[in-house]
Amino acid sequence: GAVVSQHPSRVICKSGTSVKIECRSLDFQATTMFWYRQFPKQSLMLMATSNEGSKATYEQGVEKDKFLINHASLTLSTLTVTSAHPEDSSFYICSARMGGGPDTQYFGPGTRLTVL
Amino acid sequence: AQRVTQPEKLLSVFKGAPVELKCNYSYSGSPELFWYVQYSRQRLQLLLRHISRESIKGFTADLNKGETSFHLKKPFAQEEDSAMYYCAPRSNDYKLSFGAGTTVTVRA
Repeated sequence: GAVVSQHPSRVICKSGTSVKIECRSLDFQATTMFWYRQFPKQSLMLMATSNEGSKATYEQGVEKDKFLINHASLTLSTLTVTSAHPEDSSFYICSARMGGGPDTQYFGPGTRLTVL
Repeated sequence: AQRVTQPEKLLSVFKGAPVELKCNYSYSGSPELFWYVQYSRQRLQLLLRHISRESIKGFTADLNKGETSFHLKKPFAQEEDSAMYYCAPRSNDYKLSFGAGTTVTVRA
């Protein structure tokens, strides 16, 4: 089956530093990748949609300069949290859409970010 | 505004009892409806989608456009069904909107 990986699984950083999270589709080419944020005991909130070779589109209220998304290939998208602050601490989840066929989104295991 | 409502945060049933998770949506256009499940310590995964009209792991969900509902049902719950369930409409641009989720606990 289709597998999506995320790296790292958890990261702790100091306030003011930048953190990069990778999302990879391991055995398929992802037409589109999505980035979500999940606060404790809350639902997933879509942050942005990432298409290979083009600029990401951000949801309302999500700062594009704060959360930089790069989709360099059909199997890799990265989310960089710039100048992280404690309020950015959260669980970040990516999903990858396999185009054609059932057109399903496959989810990564998530990355736990803690900003001290 | 697009909205997904899962009114029950927690649902506890006995093994073998029926279970129904409610989902109502308010969405422009004709969304495709999905149920996703997250078992303990596992990633989110697709359970079923309305266009498939299948029964997955004994679960079914009927889309009622008149009531804008997509309730998930299983006639006989099993302990392995204990998980977090999310209802998620998908728009034409493939974006999923997740409900708040319902935690199901099936007791022996």
